Amino acid sequence: DVKVTQSSRYLVKRTGEKVFLECVQDMDHENMFWYRQDPGLGLRLIYFSYDVKMKEKGDIPEGYSVSREKKERFSLILESASTNQTSMYLCASNSGTGVFDEQFFGPGTRLTVL
Amino acid sequence: DAKTTQPTSMDCAEGRAANLPCNHSTISGNEYVYWYRQIHSQGPQYIIHGLKNNETNEMASLIITEDRKSSTLILPHATLRDTAVYYCIVRVGHDKIIFGKGTRLHILP
Repeated sequence: DVKVTQSSRYLVKRTGEKVFLECVQDMDHENMFWYRQDPGLGLRLIYFSYDVKMKEKGDIPEGYSVSREKKERFSLILESASTNQTSMYLCASNSGTGVFDEQFFGPGTRLTVL
Repeated sequence: DAKTTQPTSMDCAEGRAANLPCNHSTISGNEYVYWYRQIHSQGPQYIIHGLKNNETNEMASLIITEDRKSSTLILPHATLRDTAVYYCIVRVGHDKIIFGKGTRLHILP
């Protein structure tokens, strides 16, 4: 069974803390993505990566950075967490071949910044 | 990527067919229509996709109009487990997906 796993389902952090959200996929996928989901706004793309050590900004990269040192792992970093980063964070991956390619999503991490 | 328009919410009786519409009037010739759904507290799940022809799989059917400006996702025999937010997306390529607000489908017992 294909799997995308995220390090935590729920996380509570304080304003100003550095936060790491980890995502691991076991499908040998080239592409990995980080989204955040907020009520009324749907899913919005933060960053994505086509390959190890490569990254591209999505629609809302401000306040975030990413790291992809290994193919199977894609980390989202909040350098200094703020309350407006309280959200559901979703990781996804796909193989990056062909015109169509299904994205597989992890279960999400619900982050609360106090 | 083209934008899509979906109703905010819909109800359907359990056991009946659920028909979810989507307008994508600015779709270009090489853009596919995809449907995902998100059950509460889970990540989105792929359902089906199509380009021009109607498609069917074990989960659903996808009907695309001849001019490709709209489509309908059909869940033939809805169950309570089909209660979810359904997203219609149009795109080409294998990069980012732009999710809209989707349709919240309520299956009524």
